[in-house]
Amino acid sequence: NAGVMQNPRHLVRRRGQEARLRCSPMKGHSHVYWYRQLPEEGLKFMVYLQKENIIDESGMPKERFSAEFPKEGPSILRIQQVVRGDSAAYFCASSLGTGRTEAFFGQGTRLTVV
Amino acid sequence: SQQGEEDPQALSIQEGENATMNCSYKTSINNLQWYRQNSGRGLVHLILIRSNEREKHSGRLRVTLDTSKKSSSLLITASRAADTASYFCATAVSNTGNQFYFGTGTSLTVIP
Repeated sequence: NAGVMQNPRHLVRRRGQEARLRCSPMKGHSHVYWYRQLPEEGLKFMVYLQKENIIDESGMPKERFSAEFPKEGPSILRIQQVVRGDSAAYFCASSLGTGRTEAFFGQGTRLTVV
Repeated sequence: SQQGEEDPQALSIQEGENATMNCSYKTSINNLQWYRQNSGRGLVHLILIRSNEREKHSGRLRVTLDTSKKSSSLLITASRAADTASYFCATAVSNTGNQFYFGTGTSLTVIP
């Protein structure tokens, strides 16, 4: 049973470009979470999704950021018109939910905006 | 604001000593989890303790939870150099479903 898979591991974008980060949850997990981690800081919650639904996006910036978790395929975190301040590590986690709330994390995508 | 706060922010000990890290939180929780993060890597799940549990063990790890004080501690016994990492607590908050909120972490250095 593969763990949470994130790709790419490293992503470099120029200011103004779009960044698309992918997350495939563990097999059988229908709950996905995205977190952002700035250097030397903890993880900041961004968004919580279940299949085809956004449950809580209270941590998402109001503009340029969006997330989806379609019925088929990975969850996608999309950042439009990236700025230098978007440079961070973005982690995805998945869980079974519904009382089984151990969350397992991927290795993260390190986004660098140049 | 984030739910969990770890203490201390940084800890340096000799190999073989025990390391204790604390986590405080603000609101009622379903459970609390501890994670380890090696530099530049992802998070590794260590242990989950539910709100109705007071203590759990896993190998050299011992976690306690005091819901009256809204605090948890992680004890690593007989530390090894390989335990050098950042340790985070994450809380699943009772009234917001399954979201997890992280503290800023404790950076542990174990000196060989």
